[in-house]
Amino acid sequence: GQSLEQPSEVTAVEGAIVQINCTYQTSGFYGLSWYQQHDGGAPTFLSYNGLDGLEETGRFSSFLSRSDSYGYLLLQELQMKDSASYFCAVTPYSSASKIIFGSGTRLSIRP
Amino acid sequence: SAVISQKPSRDICQRGTSLTIQCQVDSQVTMMFWYRQQPGQSLTLIATANQGSEATYESGFVIDKFPISRPNLTFSTLTVSNMSPEDSSIYLCSVGGQGAAVGETQYFGPGTRLLVL
Repeated sequence: GQSLEQPSEVTAVEGAIVQINCTYQTSGFYGLSWYQQHDGGAPTFLSYNGLDGLEETGRFSSFLSRSDSYGYLLLQELQMKDSASYFCAVTPYSSASKIIFGSGTRLSIRP
Repeated sequence: SAVISQKPSRDICQRGTSLTIQCQVDSQVTMMFWYRQQPGQSLTLIATANQGSEATYESGFVIDKFPISRPNLTFSTLTVSNMSPEDSSIYLCSVGGQGAAVGETQYFGPGTRLLVL
């Protein structure tokens, strides 16, 4: 089966950098994705790591290490609008047509 | 990207009744997915809806409780049957990104917020 664990809550200061970790136990997957969800909104796609290493998209970067069963989302130059929940997700080899979401991290930004 | 709409956006229902949620996509897609998200929780996949075949349900979800229709490549419905307060949740439909592995990107509808009294 698949299990993805994230810290439930993270607090950071506006302008700072924050890292949200995702550790997983899974029998194998195609890649690790990250989604952002604001309160009352739908999840929106942020990034995808199909291979180990770092992917950068503007202020957001995502990292994957399959050997360590670990990934993270890095948010730089934090803005108040980054306050949201963040979910990691995998597409398991057992079913390439769906994704399994992690437990989610609620990020709060302080001025 | 795909643009997805859902109806209704929210509803308050009495226990024992049923509600059908509609999901419309602006492009043809092979697979559509239905998720449930309880307040403050992660997303749980209910089922995958394929056009022309029966939906595939995840463990813990059954067709009698959550019947799904998929009459064409742009539309699907999810019915929550014989509702109880435990069914109070947000129900979201989604589709995979076009031209990419389904798991790489998924697009979500705005969700249907259901409260069962």
